[in-house]
Amino acid sequence: EVQLVESGGGLVKPGGSLRLSCAASGFTFKNAWLSWVRQAPGKGLEWLGRIKSNSDDGTADYASPVKGRFTISRDDSNSMLYLHMNSLETEDTAIYYCTTYTPPAVNWGQGTLVTVSS
Amino acid sequence: DNVMTQSPDSLAVSLGERATINCKSSQSVLYTSNNKNYLAWYQQKPGQPPKLLIYGASTRESGVPDRFSGSGSGTDFTLTISSLQAEDVAIYYCQQYYHTPTFGGGTKVEI
Repeated sequence: EVQLVESGGGLVKPGGSLRLSCAASGFTFKNAWLSWVRQAPGKGLEWLGRIKSNSDDGTADYASPVKGRFTISRDDSNSMLYLHMNSLETEDTAIYYCTTYTPPAVNWGQGTLVTVSS
Repeated sequence: DNVMTQSPDSLAVSLGERATINCKSSQSVLYTSNNKNYLAWYQQKPGQPPKLLIYGASTRESGVPDRFSGSGSGTDFTLTISSLQAEDVAIYYCQQYYHTPTFGGGTKVEI
């Protein structure tokens, strides 16, 4: 069974940084493309970016609102996905989900809440 | 960016009746090389992550009941629930993944 478990969320001040983690199991992680999606409270879904498998060049692409502030990385040896977030703004307050990405996003974690507030 | 517009924002349907949700893309999501539409539908129930229902505009994900069907091509798509069940109360989102992926705003389905 595919499992994705996000962690690392919490309260951070505007301008701060945070790293989210996603622990994966139940599938061959090194071959998987993965993505991050967020959902602000009471709002819709927003795709943030995805990272290819290293065998497919391992590059990451990002949505315009987060390009240059967010970075996706992966650790295939530990089946971990990361989202590094810098220069956080109040508008970044959301639940952050990691997903497998075929595309589209097939399996989702339960999410981790990030609150950006002073 | 490719803007996805869903309609209606919400709808109320009686149990056993049909529900129809529309999704319009500002750009075509039909990849002519393989004749596939890069369009997916998701269901999200309160307090849960989204669940993939349909990809390629019309292919049901494994385990999805056949009362859910997707249709359309190019820029106009439809998700149909043929006979609404109580457990189908949720918000439904379309997403294009031809360009940088984008989601529609969601449609809330109630009884």
